[in-house]
Amino acid sequence: KNEVEQSPQNLTAQEGEFITINCSYSVGISALHWLQQHPGGGIVSLFMLSSGKKKHGRLIATINIQEKHSSLHITASHPRDSAVYICAVPSGSRLTFGEGTQLTVNP
Amino acid sequence: KAGVTQTPRYLIKTRGQQVTLSCSPISGHRSVSWYQQTPGQGLQFLFEYFSETQRNKGNFPGRFSGRQFSNSRSEMNVSTLELGDSALYLCASSLESGGAEDIQYFGAGTRLSVL
Repeated sequence: KNEVEQSPQNLTAQEGEFITINCSYSVGISALHWLQQHPGGGIVSLFMLSSGKKKHGRLIATINIQEKHSSLHITASHPRDSAVYICAVPSGSRLTFGEGTQLTVNP
Repeated sequence: KAGVTQTPRYLIKTRGQQVTLSCSPISGHRSVSWYQQTPGQGLQFLFEYFSETQRNKGNFPGRFSGRQFSNSRSEMNVSTLELGDSALYLCASSLESGGAEDIQYFGAGTRLSVL
């Protein structure tokens, strides 16, 4: 079993839909990262959270430490949200990544 | 503030050669991490440097090595290249903690092709 598992692997949505991407992990952690990777490879850190919920624009990240589960939500999705979304958990200073969720938002 | 700069952006090498990749972190960041991304294995941690010391290492063979200089710039080296080393190599910098409690800022990556 991988330390970090994401679902779904692929997600296609229509513009305006509410999106949820899930991440489960098997180890105790101090924080969890959500990353976004656009075609071409550039990675941007979206959130780092250790408890509760964080919101940035249309993006919301939640984490339940007891259940070892985090979700990334996108409200009112837009074609520019099309990207790969990756969750990652630290072990010391190293990060272990989920396999990523390929999101495609159609106009 | 300038972002994380990786050079070169693209590189083509042949099997058996060696390669050196460079990463300049954001000014003031002391931690630099390196990652390999391939279609089959996804993103994998290579190593992390802090204050010129390797603080953490992933599960890669000894052909992969790195170092960090006093100005926090880092280099990674791959010797005796194999076809399977073809990948996107990303570095990320953070203030102090690597991936533990700091946000990491990623460079654009170096895409290495081994022929």
